[in-house]
Amino acid sequence: SQQGEEDPQALSIQEGENATMNCSYKTSINNLQWYRQNSGRGLVHLILIRSNEREKHSGRLRVTLDTSKKSSSLLITASRAADTASYFCAGGGSTLGRLYFGRGTQLTVWP
Amino acid sequence: GAVVSQHPSWVICKSGTSVKIECRSLDFQATTMFWYRQFPKQSLMLMATSNEGSKATYEQGVEKDKFLINHASLTLSTLTVTSAHPEDSSFYICSANPGLRTEAFFGQGTRLTVV
Repeated sequence: SQQGEEDPQALSIQEGENATMNCSYKTSINNLQWYRQNSGRGLVHLILIRSNEREKHSGRLRVTLDTSKKSSSLLITASRAADTASYFCAGGGSTLGRLYFGRGTQLTVWP
Repeated sequence: GAVVSQHPSWVICKSGTSVKIECRSLDFQATTMFWYRQFPKQSLMLMATSNEGSKATYEQGVEKDKFLINHASLTLSTLTVTSAHPEDSSFYICSANPGLRTEAFFGQGTRLTVV
């Protein structure tokens, strides 16, 4: 990918469990964003963490950023079947809106 | 909320023909829009930055004569795939940022199939 790798590439869990997805990136970033994509659809922004932040929460989402390791993680707690989707991290640089995406994790949550 | 609309949602065209995809910001003005390409089960690859009133900026390896971008107004960018071939079949998606918001808003995407 243009920006980096994500792992796992696929994750299958039961409802109620937590899902953790990791992302590594290659270049320097101003921020790192996570997006969700339902099959064959557009992307929806989930959460953004700036390069000077280490952790951020939003509802059931928790994202961490380690700039020294150039990595980020997204935790979804108490997962639901409706969370089934592909999740992508994207690095944002100095040009607003210009994003470089990781490979993505396909999350399947079984009821 | 900010809405970005893409049209068409899907298109099938014959090899050798050209296809135009529209990306509109419905409730905000966008001097810059972005075009991405996504192959099945893969990530989004940034193709180009569309600049209102000036030439688009293409990412390395993207053929500008193949993928023509026009950003003629503050709410509309178009991507034309010229002389399309089966290998151009893909999911094309655009995005824009309202104001100075860092998060991007994406269109619904256009699935292009070249036969």
